[in-house]
Amino acid sequence: NAGVTQTPKFRILKIGQSMTLQCTQDMNHNYMYWYRQDPGMGLKLIYYSVGAGITDKGEVPNGYNVSRSTTEDFPLRLELAAPSQTSVYFCASSYSITGALGYGYTFGSGTRLTVV
Amino acid sequence: AQSVTQLDSHVSVSEGTPVLLRCNYSSSYSPSLFWYVQHPNKGLQLLLKYTSAATLVKGINGFEAEFKKSETSFHLTKPSAHMSDAAEYFCVVSSTGNQFYFGTGTSLTVIP
Repeated sequence: NAGVTQTPKFRILKIGQSMTLQCTQDMNHNYMYWYRQDPGMGLKLIYYSVGAGITDKGEVPNGYNVSRSTTEDFPLRLELAAPSQTSVYFCASSYSITGALGYGYTFGSGTRLTVV
Repeated sequence: AQSVTQLDSHVSVSEGTPVLLRCNYSSSYSPSLFWYVQHPNKGLQLLLKYTSAATLVKGINGFEAEFKKSETSFHLTKPSAHMSDAAEYFCVVSSTGNQFYFGTGTSLTVIP
């Protein structure tokens, strides 16, 4: 059971480039989330999804896009990368809202992105 | 509105001495509260959770936290620190489940 898998682990982008951060989970979780972690700021929610075909914005969605075509996958796309998007990105999942409240999230190991 | 305040950004303790990491929360509804730990260059691991059952919650690796509604606090404690406890700790609150609100983290240093 792999849990939540994120790829790549590290990436350096040039300003204006785009990329997709991949996230996949094998726990049949309905809810998936993308957070970014900046030093001294905790984690901030970018986007989340409550099931295939359904996504919604979190606190800091600007500059990002997501899609959820399957239960397993929840890719995060950066268009026109900017230095402000330098961060560590975490994908997480939970079975349901009740599951999230009762058991917390399962997190991936993160993607460290640097935009230069 | 929900938020979490971790009162100390850095805590240093000697190995074998008690650990106290402080967390205050704000929530309009009955919250679920969590502590997560993040070791360097690693993901986040759930330490323990409060979900309206017992107010004293036991977690992994000897950690405990007590939910005090009157003080809106959820402090994390451990009787005796171990070198392997050195990490970043995050207090988290949620009452809706579709978003978790993270504190800014407390970095724990354990001195040999």
